[in-house]
Amino acid sequence: DSGVTQTPKHLITATGQRVTLRCSPRSGDLSVYWYQQSLDQGLQFLIQYYNGEERAKGNILERFSAQQFPDLHSELNLSSLELGDSALYFCASSYTGVTEAFFGQGTRLTVV
Amino acid sequence: AQKITQTQPGMFVQEKEAVTLDCTYDTSDQSYGLFWYKQPSSGEMIFLIYQGSYDEQNATEGRYSLNFQKARKSANLVISASQLGDSAMYFCAMRETSSGGSYIPTFGRGTSLIVHP
Repeated sequence: DSGVTQTPKHLITATGQRVTLRCSPRSGDLSVYWYQQSLDQGLQFLIQYYNGEERAKGNILERFSAQQFPDLHSELNLSSLELGDSALYFCASSYTGVTEAFFGQGTRLTVV
Repeated sequence: AQKITQTQPGMFVQEKEAVTLDCTYDTSDQSYGLFWYKQPSSGEMIFLIYQGSYDEQNATEGRYSLNFQKARKSANLVISASQLGDSAMYFCAMRETSSGGSYIPTFGRGTSLIVHP
């Protein structure tokens, strides 16, 4: 168990809908990363938060947004969902971001 | 440009033998970190080992060791005494500095390892 908790584990929704993925980082970790893993694109970095502030953005679509709350949990919001958004979404956390990041079990999103 | 290259899409090894998974990287940073993660069929990403660019000794964690050759920009993972449970996807990753000064792990495409009994 990495100590990073992601909910829900599985999500099936229809095109055009909006969903929220939740992540609780390891106790004491200030940095949260979101990644998308699909078969054709591999593991793609979406966005990073550090102690409540956005620190870096990767290949995140405008339909996607995220935030980190004062208690350091984070949410990834995906809207106007398309079939191509079906993927495994990971949250990872790290104390400083310098050494290893620990991953949650992922949320498998299926858009139908 | 691809920052992390894993050239072996699939590898096979006999149980109890050692196996090396290749990883090369590209960076102009002086300070960087290299990681290996394991992803079994259940999907979770499991951290295995970390090597900092200034670490003089190769990192080891149990049966895992990282063969770090800085001049060649390679960070190969060596798994000794393979076990059936080692069958999984293995990802090499590099911590690189974003434009905002933050550290972002960037991942290779992975190598699928199958351990035969």
